[in-house]
Amino acid sequence: DAKTTQPPSMDCAEGRAANLPCNHSTISGNEYVYWYRQIHSQGPQYIIHGLKNNETNEMASLIITEDRKSSTLILPHATLRDTAVYYCIVRVGAWDTGGFKTIFGAGTRLFVKA
Amino acid sequence: DGGITQSPKYLFRKEGQNVTLSCEQNLNHDAMYWYRQDPGQGLRLIYYSQIVNDFQKGDIAEGYSVSREKKESFPLTVTSAQKNPTAFYLCASSPIAGGSVEQFFGPGTRLTVL
Repeated sequence: DAKTTQPPSMDCAEGRAANLPCNHSTISGNEYVYWYRQIHSQGPQYIIHGLKNNETNEMASLIITEDRKSSTLILPHATLRDTAVYYCIVRVGAWDTGGFKTIFGAGTRLFVKA
Repeated sequence: DGGITQSPKYLFRKEGQNVTLSCEQNLNHDAMYWYRQDPGQGLRLIYYSQIVNDFQKGDIAEGYSVSREKKESFPLTVTSAQKNPTAFYLCASSPIAGGSVEQFFGPGTRLTVL
């Protein structure tokens, strides 16, 4: 079973920030939050991950609440090409403690509209 | 360019035939994975391997077989014992050491059994 809860779909206007929420209330202390996205009929693409601090890279920002029970992925200026399914995953960071086990739920289908 | 290749992109087979899906990576990753995705669903883990000549069953291994004779290759055979083989199949790889198990995905193979 997926350990995260995400809304099934969201809309965003092109050029605006897209804020995708994720609940992970049972997250353990050694589990990271990972985000991937999947554009239709392609393989998922890694976006960003974090443990407890907020993270930013060239694609997105990840905001993790202080209690780590939820997080938000922010795409600062959404474009039409950001239309995809976004997966929030919690997983340990090391292979020897089960890091291979990646559970992809249904994700959030983001529609960016012109 | 480093990456993961899967071939073919589309594959059609008659019911009762075994079929082998190819997955090759030149990222020098130790771990490789096979996932299955059905329409509107998340990804489900079929098999994974962390080292040459070793592999483990995932959540839905029945009706599938794999081999890992070379580090860069992890072919998946869909056997006639798989009751509902029509699906989108994704291969992935990841490093094991280094504190991150970010997975890199191939473009996928869409298998249709007629």
